[in-house]
Amino acid sequence: NAGVTQTPKFQVLKTGQSMTLQCAQDMNHNSMYWYRQDPGMGLRLIYYSASEGTTDKGEVPNGYNVSRLNKREFSLRLESAAPSQTSVYFCASGKGSRGGNTIYFGEGSWLTVV
Amino acid sequence: GQSLEQPSEVTAVEGAIVQINCTYQTSGFYGLSWYQQHDGGAPTFLSYNALDGLEETGRFSSFLSRSDSYGYLLLQELQMKDSASYFCAEADYKLSFGAGTTVTVRA
Repeated sequence: NAGVTQTPKFQVLKTGQSMTLQCAQDMNHNSMYWYRQDPGMGLRLIYYSASEGTTDKGEVPNGYNVSRLNKREFSLRLESAAPSQTSVYFCASGKGSRGGNTIYFGEGSWLTVV
Repeated sequence: GQSLEQPSEVTAVEGAIVQINCTYQTSGFYGLSWYQQHDGGAPTFLSYNALDGLEETGRFSSFLSRSDSYGYLLLQELQMKDSASYFCAEADYKLSFGAGTTVTVRA
């Protein structure tokens, strides 16, 4: 079972460049999420999508945009990368229930902005 | 909003028991989940408490007290492979995570 698949796994960008992180899940989940994790830190929610066609800001949305392309796919775009966006990015998906929501993470994307 | 507090580090020896506490201040609390993350890996789900009390899953147990806005994860019979970071999270559709507790198991 693939679960949550995100690409690319590693990327180096120059300041000001743009890029899109792709994420797909095959578990028929309603909700999808993008988190970032800085060294020694917890997971901070960037954006989430409670269902196909909807997206909402999380804790740290500035500098990012998202697209919920369909039920399976949820992409994260950096329009003009900054060194402060150097981080590990995790996509996740879950049933989206209010209470008891278990989410499943992708393997992470290591992004370095120089 | 959501705010979850947990200790930053815990060190213990193999075979010992470790308790990781998590206190929360949230509006509309929907239950507490715990996730494990090994260095360089993705977080994985460990347990979930919707109601007060203890949930046991093998060597790991999780406890919740809604009246005290408090929960904990109990790791028993510690093994070297338990060295990881552990995160508590509010189990709502928009999960908020604590900063994580790094558990180091020594021989």
